[in-house]
Amino acid sequence: DTGVSQDPRHKITKRGQNVTFRCDPISEHNRLYWYRQTLGQGPEFLTYFQNEAQLEKSRLLSDRFSAERPKGSFSTLEIQRTEQGDSAMYLCASSFRTSDYTQYFGPGTRLTVL
Amino acid sequence: DAKTTQPPSMDCAEGRAANLPCNHSTISGNEYVYWYRQIHSQGPQYIIHGLKNNETNEMASLIITEDRKSSTLILPHATLRDTAVYYCIVRVVLSNDYKLSFGAGTTVTVRA
Repeated sequence: DTGVSQDPRHKITKRGQNVTFRCDPISEHNRLYWYRQTLGQGPEFLTYFQNEAQLEKSRLLSDRFSAERPKGSFSTLEIQRTEQGDSAMYLCASSFRTSDYTQYFGPGTRLTVL
Repeated sequence: DAKTTQPPSMDCAEGRAANLPCNHSTISGNEYVYWYRQIHSQGPQYIIHGLKNNETNEMASLIITEDRKSSTLILPHATLRDTAVYYCIVRVVLSNDYKLSFGAGTTVTVRA
């Protein structure tokens, strides 16, 4: 049983650079979510897709952030002009109706902005 | 905002049962109680969820009080690998309630 996968697992970048993360949900899961977690805090919701449609974005998702899910399968999260405050763990989760839309999380991508 | 209250930390002896409390006094009739845990530097792991009946799976048991204002997650035989932050969350199932609101959780340390 393949779970949610994320790539890369770790990313170190310099301030001002652009970064892109990928999330592959569990097969056939139509809902996909992005969360961000800073040190010592619980995960915070960023955005949510149902199939290819992005249905909600948190106010945490500034203009420098963009997420896509072009074919309703994998998703990408891009951060432009990274800032040191973007350093965090970026988590992806997916869900499906038959499991009560229980969200299953991936291992996360740890971003460090120098 | 998180709708649950959990103790910030608790210790447990290896091999003993760990009972993790959660208060959710404002829970609505259609909100489920979910438990996740997060082992250091990993993504949150789903444990169990329930509406009003007690639930059990291979990982844990969930006991929900009759008035549904509180619940207890029971890890029957804690091991060192159960050391993690445990989150209690309430959410509506099968709706557009898409967002999980994580609080601070309970840091559980299992000691040998």
